[in-house]
Amino acid sequence: QQQVKQSPQSLIVQKGGISIINCAYENTAFDYFPWYQQFPGKGPALLIAIRPDVSEKKEGRFTISFNKSAKQFSLHIMDSQPGDSATYFCAASHNAGNNRKLIWGLGTSLAVNP
Amino acid sequence: DVKVTQSSRYLVKRTGEKVFLECVQDMDHENMFWYRQDPGLGLRLIYFSYDVKMKEKGDIPEGYSVSREKKERFSLILESASTNQTSMYLCASTSGRYEQYFGPGTRLTVT
Repeated sequence: QQQVKQSPQSLIVQKGGISIINCAYENTAFDYFPWYQQFPGKGPALLIAIRPDVSEKKEGRFTISFNKSAKQFSLHIMDSQPGDSATYFCAASHNAGNNRKLIWGLGTSLAVNP
Repeated sequence: DVKVTQSSRYLVKRTGEKVFLECVQDMDHENMFWYRQDPGLGLRLIYFSYDVKMKEKGDIPEGYSVSREKKERFSLILESASTNQTSMYLCASTSGRYEQYFGPGTRLTVT
């Protein structure tokens, strides 16, 4: 059972366009929602994260939009660049029982054409 | 900068061999994780450890074991490697439940 559902599986965007990746979750106890970026041959690295007390968080060209009532959050990459080509993972975490784990989406492979 | 290193980038082993994958972190993190990454299946948690000599099973522990004798080192052991364990193995560490720092991965091929 996939607790965090990520879509699309792959995405092709033209340089300068907007890339949008969506995630949906079921567990209302989740209170931390990070996005990780993974380049080929590297491990994932934290890109940006949000908590449910805000609806949006922006860092440079990367924005997380969060909709608590719909239990959805998304990553928007503005002015997408070829260097953004990577695999992106959403994840979620809760604090119950001193939890330390992240629940991961399956990933989205983004290709930005020059 | 947090650094997580893994003992090998590429490894080729034969079916039935015992395989050791080692991970070392330099930030005094309590929590360490082993994942495997396969196309279309995302990151699947094999085992994690929240303290020295402590371990918990993740989602796919079958065929694997782990060892954590020192805080900075977390080893993944394949007792008898099988071809279906051919995968990318990623180690991560964290001080809490937030940012996980990943190593570069070990691509294991079992023939």
